[in-house]
Amino acid sequence: AQTVTQSQPEMSVQEAETVTLSCTYDTSENNYYLFWYKQPPSRQMILVIRQEAYKQQNATENRFSVNFQKAAKSFSLKISDSQLGDTAMYFCAFMTNFGNEKLTFGTGTRLTIIP
Amino acid sequence: EPEVTQTPSHQVTQMGQEVILRCVPISNHLYFYWYRQILGQKVEFLVSFYNNEISEKSEIFDDQFSVERPDGSNFTLKIRSTKLEDSAMYFCASRTSGTDTQYFGPGTRLTVL
Repeated sequence: AQTVTQSQPEMSVQEAETVTLSCTYDTSENNYYLFWYKQPPSRQMILVIRQEAYKQQNATENRFSVNFQKAAKSFSLKISDSQLGDTAMYFCAFMTNFGNEKLTFGTGTRLTIIP
Repeated sequence: EPEVTQTPSHQVTQMGQEVILRCVPISNHLYFYWYRQILGQKVEFLVSFYNNEISEKSEIFDDQFSVERPDGSNFTLKIRSTKLEDSAMYFCASRTSGTDTQYFGPGTRLTVL
């Protein structure tokens, strides 16, 4: 079974600073997908960024980027120039290939951006 | 931009009652999911649905749960006889074919008294 571990229950950072959230996972699969979802106080789950395991290049979406280390089974999220609106729970999630569609989530990191 | 919608946003029910949670997936999506999140815990997969049948279900999705796509737009989750431990946020998600990204609705908060 796949597992996702987020070892930082809470983090806080000053506005405009950079913060990195960590995620590790365990799988015997070779092809899979990794995601970061954001859950603000409204509790809606919003996709932040995704990474395909067969791609060596790290995904980037504006201020959000990942550091994907396949051998180490690590998938960290870097938020640059953090903004107050980034305050949220962040969940790392894993999915194997299309035949097994369920997302397996980590326990989340509560990120607070301090003005 | 198309969104997944869910109704109601909050449902309060008595233990033992039946509840139906409703979702309208994005219109061209073919794959549908339900997840739940007990307060303070991680999001857990319940069930996936494609071509009018269940693709996969978790251990949580026991005989008390059922899903249905009654028409071309709605996707429902029914809990036949609610328990206190069913209190949670329930999220619907959908995706189109050829992509791996699931898009989530805003969730329904279910409170069982």
